Amino acid sequence: EAQVTQNPRYLITVTGKKLTVTCSQNMNHEYMSWYRQDPGLGLRQIYYSMNVEVTDKGDVPEGYKVSRKEKRNFPLILESPSPNQTSLYFCASSFRDRAYNEQFFGPGTRLTVL
Amino acid sequence: AQTVTQSQPEMSVQEAETVTLSCTYDTSESNYYLFWYKQPPSRQMILVIRQEAYKQQNATENRFSVNFQKAAKSFSLKISDSQLGDTAMYFCALRASARQLTFGSGTQLTVLP
Repeated sequence: EAQVTQNPRYLITVTGKKLTVTCSQNMNHEYMSWYRQDPGLGLRQIYYSMNVEVTDKGDVPEGYKVSRKEKRNFPLILESPSPNQTSLYFCASSFRDRAYNEQFFGPGTRLTVL
Repeated sequence: AQTVTQSQPEMSVQEAETVTLSCTYDTSESNYYLFWYKQPPSRQMILVIRQEAYKQQNATENRFSVNFQKAAKSFSLKISDSQLGDTAMYFCALRASARQLTFGSGTQLTVLP
């Protein structure tokens, strides 16, 4: 089954404790992206990757890191989480050749930073 | 920079009725793509319908259709014969390049029995 998976689905942590949210897709997509969803703000892009070893900042990259060492994986790293990073996070992927291509979304990760 | 605005935070509709969700956008690009995504309580993001800016014909997917007004930069979603399963948050989104998908703030639609 074609899908985007994220782990963990729920996470409660404390300020300053490094964490990683994993994202993996099995559709051979070149493009992958991370978003955060907050009430009244919709989804905002954090980072994206056009291919292996190619990453770039989105609209809200502060406090986050990413890496793309393999085509299928695109982990999101919070090296020192803060309460304002409490949010719902989505990973998405698509083929990169056209903007028309549908982005497929993971199930979301609910993160709470205390 | 591109922006997407949804001015209706919440809407409700009676089952079997028709409802229209509004969306306006802004971009300097000449070609771009517009999408409506549905997010039910499960939180899964589901593509409902998409429209290419160069196509004048409005897209239709079963009970879902759009009214695309390029000059006015308007992209509304019409849901006909509303069903209880249509209850969800609906997001309008704009993609002018493969790099970025920009979302509106969402409209929470409730279908009433």
